[in-house]
Amino acid sequence: AQKITQTQPGMFVQEKEAVTLDCTYDTSDPSYGLFWYKQPSSGEMIFLIYQGSYDQQNATEGRYSLNFQKARKSANLVISASQLGDSAMYFCAMRDNYGQNFVFGPGTRLSVLP
Amino acid sequence: GAVVSQHPSRVICKSGTSVKIECRSLDFQATTMFWYRQFPKKSLMLMATSNEGSKATYEQGVEKDKFLINHASLTLSTLTVTSAHPEDSSFYICSARGPEGTYNEQFFGPGTRLTVL
Repeated sequence: AQKITQTQPGMFVQEKEAVTLDCTYDTSDPSYGLFWYKQPSSGEMIFLIYQGSYDQQNATEGRYSLNFQKARKSANLVISASQLGDSAMYFCAMRDNYGQNFVFGPGTRLSVLP
Repeated sequence: GAVVSQHPSRVICKSGTSVKIECRSLDFQATTMFWYRQFPKKSLMLMATSNEGSKATYEQGVEKDKFLINHASLTLSTLTVTSAHPEDSSFYICSARGPEGTYNEQFFGPGTRLTVL
């Protein structure tokens, strides 16, 4: 069975600094996808970044980058130059090869300090 | 593109009543939709997978008769919470498997906050 672990229930970062949110996963599927979502207090799930298991390069989207270490089964999210608006819950998620099974981690609450 | 809407965004009802939540894919056809439940400060928990024209597949522990799911068209799935009780109060989020070429993603609706008094 697939499983996502996020060991940081809460994180604090100073505005304009970079922060890394940890995510480790467990799966026996050779093909899978990894996602990061942001959930502000409004509740909507905002897609941030995607990494495929066969992608050779780490994914980047603006200030977001994914540090993908396949052998370690980790997919950490790096947010550069944090902004106050980045304060939210962040979820790491994984889907299986067929896109039917989507598993979420417990989430990390990020607070950006002015 | 790939926008998913949910209606209502917030609903308050009395115990014993039934509540219907709609999930619509606005600009694409969604053969597969998913329903999640999220408790305060917790992660999303998949309740069921809804495939157009067929019965939903429920996750273990989710009561099929309590949470009725209908996916009658390629753009609409509904979740009906029957005989709601206070313990059903939660945030319900739907998502749709993306259109062809974006199967990697799920596109999420904005969620529905249900409060049962």
